Amino acid sequence: ETGVTQTPRHLVMGMTNKKSLKCEQHLGHNAMYWYKQSAKKPLELMFVYSLEERVENNSVPSRFSPECPNSSHLFLHLHTLQPEDSALYLCASSRSLAGGDEQYFGPGTRLTVT
Amino acid sequence: EDQVTQSPEALRLQEGESSSLNCSYTVSGLRGLFWYRQDPGKGPEFLFTLYSAGEEKEKERLKATLTKKESFLHITAPKPEDSATYLCAVQVGGKGKLIFGQGTELSVKP
Repeated sequence: ETGVTQTPRHLVMGMTNKKSLKCEQHLGHNAMYWYKQSAKKPLELMFVYSLEERVENNSVPSRFSPECPNSSHLFLHLHTLQPEDSALYLCASSRSLAGGDEQYFGPGTRLTVT
Repeated sequence: EDQVTQSPEALRLQEGESSSLNCSYTVSGLRGLFWYRQDPGKGPEFLFTLYSAGEEKEKERLKATLTKKESFLHITAPKPEDSATYLCAVQVGGKGKLIFGQGTELSVKP
């Protein structure tokens, strides 16, 4: 595997379900991110982790719960979601949080909440 | 408030017809401006980073430029495979935060 991988690629869940999204980066980076991409809206930053420590929580509802067990893996735990949470969830990584370090994105998980 | 605006929202070109995409930004403390390409159903693919006004970068048919208020992505003699959504993002602060524009959807017809 190379770059940033995400599983599953597609997920359909009911409003009462609990599911998790997984992200793995194979780039040796120290920072990881979760973004939400809704139709016709700009990418929205959700969470930022640096060396497994959360450094940014961009006013995200508590029904989204991130976890970063090590610098290569990032999870997004989902529970009691709403239909408006349906979107493409993108994971990204960068070498560090330093200015100008480009972020590399995974292919995303297409989430549909029914 | 930090803001990024891209124009046009959509652009249709004939193969070989050169054009430019615009990214205007209003931010305090710019740490970098990034261009990405996104194909349908895929994650954004990194293209360029620009750091300061006057800087230019090129890759194949693409050239990115930066001023104090905006960036341009020039596409010279585009081909159908250049069709994609092009995203502009600015980095502010010290926590890796990127603020994205809404993107320009480019379609190049043969």
